[in-house]
Amino acid sequence: KAGVTQTPRYLIKTRGQQVTLSCSPISGHRSVSWYQQTPGQGLQFLFEYFSETQRNKGNFPGRFSGRQFSNSRSEMNVSTLELGDSALYLCASSLVAVSSTEAFFGQGTRLTVV
Amino acid sequence: AQSVTQPDIHITVSEGASLELRCNYSYGATPYLFWYVQSPGQGLQLLLKYFSGDTLVQGIKGFEAEFKRSQSSFNLRKPSVHWSDAAEYFCAVGARGGSNYKLTFGKGTLLTVNP
Repeated sequence: KAGVTQTPRYLIKTRGQQVTLSCSPISGHRSVSWYQQTPGQGLQFLFEYFSETQRNKGNFPGRFSGRQFSNSRSEMNVSTLELGDSALYLCASSLVAVSSTEAFFGQGTRLTVV
Repeated sequence: AQSVTQPDIHITVSEGASLELRCNYSYGATPYLFWYVQSPGQGLQLLLKYFSGDTLVQGIKGFEAEFKRSQSSFNLRKPSVHWSDAAEYFCAVGARGGSNYKLTFGKGTLLTVNP
């Protein structure tokens, strides 16, 4: 079966702009989580959605938001981009929850803010 | 709050040598425990997981890990390393019952394999 698909793979944005990243989970998976990966902070949890409901949110400013659609696809949005938002953004899908079942990760979207 | 410590930032081993990557966690009870591997430019792939039962768990690619409750550890081992094992390895914990719906990762251990 197809894996987790994240688009686009690479993005270059200017400070102050906004960006939307997309994640298509594995068919049948209803949980989608987002993580930010940077060399300094490692992997940090952004938020998790299940059946269009956000069940948990990490310690990120309100500029980071997300949503999930009825087909389980998810998007995350970052507004008013800052240089520090440059990172690899990873999406993970699982049947129920990444914390208690196997999570499958996409290849990520590499965001560069200049 | 749950946390994970991977004490070794970078480890170098020779091909064919044995490997042990350390992981210590902090959690109020016994968490779900995972090891993931990330190759350059790629996402994370699950190597193995511990939920309950036998404390020695087998994973893919010849990896195994042992859960030691008394030491709050979940170290990853492989008896003979192959050059293709060069990657970054992440230990992660999940709250039992999935009540917070997230994984908490360690900072990772970068593995270099010398020929």
